[in-house]
Amino acid sequence: GAVVSQHPSWVICKSGTSVKIECRSLDFQATTMFWYRQFPKQSLMLMATSNEGSKATYEQGVEKDKFLINHASLTLSTLTVTSAHPEDSSFYICSARGEREYQPQHFGDGTRLSIL
Amino acid sequence: KQEVTQIPAALSVPEGENLVLNCSFTDSAIYNLQWFRQDPGKGLTSLLLIQSSQREQTSGRLNASLDKSSGRSTLYIAASQPGDSATYLCAVRQAAGNKLTFGGGTRVLVKP
Repeated sequence: GAVVSQHPSWVICKSGTSVKIECRSLDFQATTMFWYRQFPKQSLMLMATSNEGSKATYEQGVEKDKFLINHASLTLSTLTVTSAHPEDSSFYICSARGEREYQPQHFGDGTRLSIL
Repeated sequence: KQEVTQIPAALSVPEGENLVLNCSFTDSAIYNLQWFRQDPGKGLTSLLLIQSSQREQTSGRLNASLDKSSGRSTLYIAASQPGDSATYLCAVRQAAGNKLTFGGGTRVLVKP
């Protein structure tokens, strides 16, 4: 089945640091990738949608200068949390979908980000 | 604006019982609906995907139905096992666009 790999799985860093999270589709080409944020005991909130080779589309209320998304190839998207602060601490999950519209989204295992 | 609701928020059953999880959505103009499983601290595992033209999908002990006109989907898990303990999320994709709207999830505990 389709596999999405997310790395790292856990990050702890100091306030003010920038953190990069990678999302890779291992066995299919991901035309579209998605980044979500999940707070404890809550559901997923979509942050942005990215298509390979074009700028990401951010959801309302998500700061694009804070959360930089790059989808440089059909198998890799990155999310960079710039100058992270404690309020950015959260569980970040990516997902990817293949070239066909009707295909499901496949999710990575998530990255737990803790900012001290 | 699409809203997705899952009831109940939590469910506890003895092993062997059948599970019935409900998902309702406010806008029936959907492209598809997907059921996921999430284990604590983990990402999502896709269980079943139902296209808008379909009424149900089955995989092993899992069966999901879709009634688009009434804005409902139900996930049935037959003969539950302790390993089925997890949070189950449903998500709806609108006919226009890529966005998935998630429900709040149902946290399931199957007791041995």
